[in-house]
Amino acid sequence: QVQVVESGGGVVQPGRSLKLSCAAFGFTLSNYAMHWVRQAPGEGLEWVAVIFFDGTNKHYADSVKGRFTISRDSSKNTLYLEVNSLRDEDTAVYYCVKEATTSGGGFDIWGQGTVVTVSS
Amino acid sequence: QAGLTQPPSVSKDLRQTATLTCTGNSNTVGAQGAAWLQQHQGHPPKLLSYRDGTRPSGISERFSASRSGNTASLTITGLQPEDEADYYCSAWDGPLSAWMFGGGTKLTVL
Repeated sequence: QVQVVESGGGVVQPGRSLKLSCAAFGFTLSNYAMHWVRQAPGEGLEWVAVIFFDGTNKHYADSVKGRFTISRDSSKNTLYLEVNSLRDEDTAVYYCVKEATTSGGGFDIWGQGTVVTVSS
Repeated sequence: QAGLTQPPSVSKDLRQTATLTCTGNSNTVGAQGAAWLQQHQGHPPKLLSYRDGTRPSGISERFSASRSGNTASLTITGLQPEDEADYYCSAWDGPLSAWMFGGGTKLTVL
């Protein structure tokens, strides 16, 4: 069964760091563009970052550029998001998302999410 | 980063038809279309249509997506209670190298 499972969230003080993980099952993560999308409490979806097939082409939302780093370990079939210099507004559910390669694309596989709470 | 514009809420009667809209620009919706997602409270989003308007396997034919210029639309026919959810459009902005989401439309089935 094709699925992704996130982990690594928690409660963290402003300015601190976390590393989120996303284990992929039923498909090879490096064959797809993989994303992180977040959703603050009661708010809509916000795209955070993408890593493309080649593993070196990466892009970030302006709100996280310079603070967050997306990466992957193909040997572990796992995606990561290193989140640094955390701010109150980074509090959200962080979803790991697979992008479809067919039909023009779209976010076709979502995990259950991992919760990051930034609080002093 | 500029986003996509969706009406915050739409209300329709049971068994009626709802059309949700998503307005972008020539770099987003106008360039490669928009994908649509459905999210029920407390659950992750689910893909309803790819950017080219086709449906993933298992998605009901009651959901159909289309595009005219810079505006994408999702039409839901024969509304059912389980269609009550938040709906999001998403599109890639090539010049910005970023994905965009609309603010979401909360669909209420009366």
